[in-house]
Amino acid sequence: ELKVEQNPLFLSMQEGKNYTIYCNYSTTSDRLYWYRQDPGKSLESLFVLLSNGAVKQEGRLMASLDTKARLSTLHITAAVHDLSATYFCAVADSWGKLQFGAGTQVVVTP
Amino acid sequence: NAGVTQTPKFQVLKTGQSMTLQCAQDMNHEYMSWYRQDPGMGLRLIHYSVGAGITDQGEVPNGYNVSRSTTEDFPLRLLSAAPSQTSVYFCASSYSRPITDTQYFGPGTRLTVL
Repeated sequence: ELKVEQNPLFLSMQEGKNYTIYCNYSTTSDRLYWYRQDPGKSLESLFVLLSNGAVKQEGRLMASLDTKARLSTLHITAAVHDLSATYFCAVADSWGKLQFGAGTQVVVTP
Repeated sequence: NAGVTQTPKFQVLKTGQSMTLQCAQDMNHEYMSWYRQDPGMGLRLIHYSVGAGITDQGEVPNGYNVSRSTTEDFPLRLLSAAPSQTSVYFCASSYSRPITDTQYFGPGTRLTVL
């Protein structure tokens, strides 16, 4: 059974500093997603990572995937208030179903 | 395109009542799924469908029924609501299984069972 673990579950960020969210998963997968959720809102797709060594960047967010270590990271550069949200990683299992991590709640303060 | 739509946005039920959560998409997606979101637990898959007439169970299917008579619609039925079903429900769709395609999520239905 595929298990997905995110850490930390809560991250208090100072504006201007760099932070990383980690996503570990237990079995082999060919696809990993990162989603963002604002309070009371739906999930927005940020990145899809398909292969070992994949790196995707959008603005201050950069996601990477190491399939050998079964680890993905979401790196936030120079945090700003607009990045306050909950971030989820999700891994597709061999049946094609998504298994989500518990989410990382990010709060960015001045 | 309206994308993925869900109705209602909010619902309060009494224990034992039944109801249907509606989900529709206009993107001609074959794959549709229902998730529930509870604090600290991420999203958990309830049921999914790979096309009209085909449905299957996810991680937490008990107490829920689904059917898929058209490509566009994928309703979720609560047979006899229980307080444990208080949650936020999201419908999602994609062209194919998440192993090959990104899922797009609806706005959610917030359900409270008293």
